[in-house]
Amino acid sequence: KQEVTQIPAALSVPEGENLVLNCSFTDSAIYNLQWFRQDPGKGLTSLLLIQSSQREQTSGRLNASLDKSSGRSTLYIAASQPGDSATYLCAVNRQAGTALIFGKGTTLSVSS
Amino acid sequence: SQTIHQWPATLVQPVGSPLSLECTVEGTSNPNLYWYRQAAGRGLQLLFYSVGIGQISSEVPQNLSASRPQDRQFILSSKKLLLSDSGFYLCAWSVLGDQQFFGPGTRLTVL
Repeated sequence: KQEVTQIPAALSVPEGENLVLNCSFTDSAIYNLQWFRQDPGKGLTSLLLIQSSQREQTSGRLNASLDKSSGRSTLYIAASQPGDSATYLCAVNRQAGTALIFGKGTTLSVSS
Repeated sequence: SQTIHQWPATLVQPVGSPLSLECTVEGTSNPNLYWYRQAAGRGLQLLFYSVGIGQISSEVPQNLSASRPQDRQFILSSKKLLLSDSGFYLCAWSVLGDQQFFGPGTRLTVL
């Protein structure tokens, strides 16, 4: 059974810091991995999608890497801003169109 | 562009009452549709998914059901709510089984 773990559960940093959020999964047979952002009381915003054949994806200040063989992904946020404060969720699925298995998220707080 | 709607945004219901949550998607055809639940202190869990009209797969046995009467409409229902049904319900869509996009969610409180 696939399990997704995100470390740390919470993180507080001052504005301007570069930071890394970690995600690990127990079964390396994944189809793709997605990183999401969730603001309090809101739905999920998709940040990055990495297909199993890819090593990384970049969008603006965000960079996500995938090491499928070791069951790990990292989300790198450069030059953090207070607006980056949110919960970041990692999710994987086994096949196209099947359920996403989510981690419990990392809650990020960026202070000005 | 594609958009996804959910309603109501919030709902407070007594135990034993029925439930109907609706999700609609615009700007795409034949999407895969999903219902997830996010309960306090727990991660997101898939409840149902659908690959086409009338085709529903259930991931977790419970007193909830889902229906897909139209291509871009997905409904989550219950005949009698339980306290444990409280949570944040999220609808999502994808095309060709790729990236999933989520709606704004419905906050359900069962008293």
